[in-house]
Amino acid sequence: GQNIDQPTEMTATEGAIVQINCTYQTSGFNGLFWYQQHAGEAPTFLSYNVLDGLEEKGRFSSFLSRSKGYSYLLLKELQMKDSASYLCVRTSGGYNKLIFGAGTRLAVHP
Amino acid sequence: DVKVTQSSRYLVKRTGEKVFLECVQDMDHENMFWYRQDPGLGLRLIYFSYDVKMKEKGDIPEGYSVSREKKERFSLILESASTNQTSMYLCASTGPNYGYTFGSGTRLTVV
Repeated sequence: GQNIDQPTEMTATEGAIVQINCTYQTSGFNGLFWYQQHAGEAPTFLSYNVLDGLEEKGRFSSFLSRSKGYSYLLLKELQMKDSASYLCVRTSGGYNKLIFGAGTRLAVHP
Repeated sequence: DVKVTQSSRYLVKRTGEKVFLECVQDMDHENMFWYRQDPGLGLRLIYFSYDVKMKEKGDIPEGYSVSREKKERFSLILESASTNQTSMYLCASTGPNYGYTFGSGTRLTVV
């Protein structure tokens, strides 16, 4: 993805916690999204951070540091259904354009 | 809930054919987008539209054109399909708050 770096693949065990990191270019930045995408399906919205800090939503939390150009997605109590790609996405100027990272493919094992 | 509908889930076309991919949204959104998604590359923006009859090139517009004659419909056109246009095509729409809603995608194979 354009100016967005995230790991290509991660593996974790059911019930564990996993953190997916993302760094991005800060110029023209307004906000940072995380999307989940199961194989063969469209991306679905998980979170949106505009301000620094941690946003918690059930088992998923997302953190943003605007000065560092850094975000992470934290998944707790992992379930098998969490096996998917997780896309780090930043805003890019007007008309609500977004720039997508290439995604982190997470495999959850029993 | 916002619904974005893409007309076909799977398509197989021959090299040189003209291909139309249709996308319809039902929430009166101004902004609509066409992306393609390829392994290891993420989603790349082809074209977007911010109003009826208005369009802007994205990052990879070559070989594509678009049409937005009505607010709810945004069409992607491959003038002469080539094998390197084999991909997953995703349409999205958004209102004023950046919340993207995606269609279910069209997996296009050009043979």
